[in-house]
Amino acid sequence: QVQLQESGPGLVKPSQTLSLTCTVSGGSISSRDYYWSWIRQHPGKGLEWIGYIFYSGSSYYNPSLKSRVTMSVDTSKNQISLMLRSVTAADTAVYYCAREDLEGWFDPWGQGTLVTVSS
Amino acid sequence: DIQMTQSPSSLSASVGDRVTITCRASQSITSYLHWYQQKPGKAPKLLIYTASTLQSGVPSRFSGSGSGTDFTLTISSLQPEDFATYFCQQSHSTPQTFGQGTRVEIK
Repeated sequence: QVQLQESGPGLVKPSQTLSLTCTVSGGSISSRDYYWSWIRQHPGKGLEWIGYIFYSGSSYYNPSLKSRVTMSVDTSKNQISLMLRSVTAADTAVYYCAREDLEGWFDPWGQGTLVTVSS
Repeated sequence: DIQMTQSPSSLSASVGDRVTITCRASQSITSYLHWYQQKPGKAPKLLIYTASTLQSGVPSRFSGSGSGTDFTLTISSLQPEDFATYFCQQSHSTPQTFGQGTRVEIK
């Protein structure tokens, strides 16, 4: 059974870079059947898709965040990573990684990690 | 971006009630519509994908229908563990977008 686990700092200062890692267990990140996505949820709010990356390294980002986002994949470690630059308080959210089927649904999800942007 | 609008935003219901949640897309998304359940402090859980296909392990009291722009999630007989927030999501066009959520509360 595939499981995902996010990790990274829970507190980031404004203007700095948010960096998170998602470790996949129970399955290979090199599968051609899935994308690997990042999704965030602002406190008490809805869900926002940040983008996805394929095992080959090809990626697609939400245009609303594209200028600040970089995703990467490390197949040797079965991990994907997210970098979000120049963060502000508006980037405070729970960040999830999830496996995305090629037809676009997300399953499973990691447990999520709260990142707070504050000085 | 395709806008997803859920209604109602919240509802109160009793155990055993039939509950229906609606999701409307701002343009046709054919059947690329998926439903999730989220409980407080937990990640969303996939219930239904491509409008009407029940995810493995999800109870059969959950069902989905619709195509084009209008979709419905139905819980045939609400159980105590079903009190949660439900989200729809479209994957017809990137960026994938979600509805704002429907909170199902105990009456």
